[in-house]
Amino acid sequence: EDKVVQSPLSLVVHEGDTVTLNCSYEVTNFRSLLWYKQEKKAPTFLFMLTSSGIEKKSGRLSSILDKKELFSILNITATQTGDSAVYLCAVGFNNNDMRFGAGTRLTVKP
Amino acid sequence: EPEVTQTPSHQVTQMGQEVILRCVPISNHLYFYWYRQILGQKVEFLVSFYNNEISEKSEIFDDQFSVERPDGSNFTLKIRSTKLEDSAMYFCASSLTPFAGGRDEQFFGPGTRLTVL
Repeated sequence: EDKVVQSPLSLVVHEGDTVTLNCSYEVTNFRSLLWYKQEKKAPTFLFMLTSSGIEKKSGRLSSILDKKELFSILNITATQTGDSAVYLCAVGFNNNDMRFGAGTRLTVKP
Repeated sequence: EPEVTQTPSHQVTQMGQEVILRCVPISNHLYFYWYRQILGQKVEFLVSFYNNEISEKSEIFDDQFSVERPDGSNFTLKIRSTKLEDSAMYFCASSLTPFAGGRDEQFFGPGTRLTVL
């Protein structure tokens, strides 16, 4: 069965902390792994990863994929209250199918 | 910046009624998708659409659902005979190339909240 598992399900930190969010997957014919941030409504795109070991970085956020161990991590350094959101991992596979994880709810306290 | 739009933002309907959710994808995009998110649960893939036909669909996308691109700009999701459990946020998305090909990002619309009473 194709599945995407995120951990932890929720996380509470204080401003300035660094967090690591995890996403593991088991799918047929893996194509890509994406990270999204969901605040109130629609998910907004963060990263797309297709190759192992290549870190993608955007400001305080970075992500890397391990296709051998079938997981990805999303790091956020120097967290701010505006980082509070649900972070979604999604995996594209087969022709054009997609599976989302349940998300990690991050709360950053002042 | 181009964006995906969806109408209505909120739809309330009676159980058993048919609803049509509308989406206008980004104009040069070729691949279109519908997702749903039941309140408090994960985002679920429903269907992908390319070249006027369904390219993938999930087990959720049964005969109750259908999609259509009636003209050059709109992409619709029809839900026949709605049930209480169809209440969810429905997101439309579009991409320039096949999403699962991993070359282009997928842009989401703001969603339509469907409430079935």
